[in-house]
Amino acid sequence: GAVVSQHPSWVICKSGTSVKIECRSLDFQATTMFWYRQFPKQSLMLMATSNEGSKATYEQGVEKDKFLINHASLTLSTLTVTSAHPEDSSFYICSARPLEVLDEQFFGPGTRLTVL
Amino acid sequence: GENVEQHPSTLSVQEGDSAVIKCTYSDSASNYFPWYKQELGKRPQLIIDIRSNVGEKKDQRIAVTLNKTAKHFSLHITETQPEDSAVYFCAASPYSSASKIIFGSGTRLSIRP
Repeated sequence: GAVVSQHPSWVICKSGTSVKIECRSLDFQATTMFWYRQFPKQSLMLMATSNEGSKATYEQGVEKDKFLINHASLTLSTLTVTSAHPEDSSFYICSARPLEVLDEQFFGPGTRLTVL
Repeated sequence: GENVEQHPSTLSVQEGDSAVIKCTYSDSASNYFPWYKQELGKRPQLIIDIRSNVGEKKDQRIAVTLNKTAKHFSLHITETQPEDSAVYFCAASPYSSASKIIFGSGTRLSIRP
């Protein structure tokens, strides 16, 4: 149980285009999901907390108009990187917390974004 | 907000020896401390966690200790094996319905045969 999926697993796009990444909890419901970004040889940096039915909470320094988050249901959150540039190339990982759990999170497999 | 510091950044140990990774945190409200193992290009994998109502937890070759007064927690791996080679992250999180997990900077562990 507690499986989280992400789609796509990798994507290559041209500079200036937008890319949408999906995060799904497959066998549980999650009111809260989290989006992380990880550059090579670095740690996971929390970008935002995605709240079902309400606006996402962004960490300091993360542009909310560039990284659009939508958490429309208890099993799906999406991250859209708008007007992507090469510096947005990174490994994006989501995580989700089951409704009945207050601490442990379950991570998706990640999405490798390459912006040309 | 929470800040988690992790040391060392790299660690090389002889197969069979023990490895210790140490972390400190800043937010006294944090009470959940997971440890993750991450292999290249993969998701972080939870290997052990500890909550603030206990001081030590062990699972086979892996143990974690927590000192809430000093805001320190450590990961101990005994009898290391080649498959233990990976990047390890400590993390801290306050216990609430919207609590986020903040990661340390990571330790690249290499096991020498």
